[in-house]
Amino acid sequence: GAVVSQHPSRVICKSGTSVKIECRSLDFQATTMFWYRQFPKQSLMLMATSNEGSKATYEQGVEKDKFLINHASLTLSTLTVTSAHPEDSSFYICSARLTGAGNTIYFGEGSWLTVV
Amino acid sequence: AQKITQTQPGMFVQEKEAVTLDCTYDTSDPSYGLFWYKQPSSGEMIFLIYQGSYDQQNATEGRYSLNFQKARKSANLVISASQLGDSAMYFCAMREYTSGGYQKVTFGTGTKLQVIP
Repeated sequence: GAVVSQHPSRVICKSGTSVKIECRSLDFQATTMFWYRQFPKQSLMLMATSNEGSKATYEQGVEKDKFLINHASLTLSTLTVTSAHPEDSSFYICSARLTGAGNTIYFGEGSWLTVV
Repeated sequence: AQKITQTQPGMFVQEKEAVTLDCTYDTSDPSYGLFWYKQPSSGEMIFLIYQGSYDQQNATEGRYSLNFQKARKSANLVISASQLGDSAMYFCAMREYTSGGYQKVTFGTGTKLQVIP
């Protein structure tokens, strides 16, 4: 089946630094990718919808300048958490939808971010 | 207003029994899709089943079936013959097009299912 890979799976960064999380669709092209954030024992919260070749569409309340999303190709979207703070520590997960066919949305393995 | 509502924060089921996880949704998009995902304690999201708004028949995938009642806007997941490995969080999700013309997927709050031996 289709595979979506996220990297890194775990990252620890210092407060004030930036960290990039990659989301790759390994065996299919994805014009649309989604970025979610999940706090412990809570549901996934959609942060933004990433469209290849255009600006991401952010959900209300999500800071565009803090969570930079780039979807430069049909197989790669990146989320950069800029000037990270401890409250940004969370589980970030991406998903991708098959282009042109199929109704399934596949998820990456998720990335645990800890800001110290 | 909640787009996806899962009213059962936790459920218990005896091994080998069937269990139904509830999900109701709200959308004005006539062309939408409904998903169920399983999230084990390890965190990854596992796709279980999909139902399109125009699909005439209820979706089935092995032990999973989706009880789709369009008029009631409900999409309950039925797991037959529960197994210990089914213990996990289960999320209902909906894909729709917004008034802005872009696609989004939103999730319910999840149901924690525990299978009892």
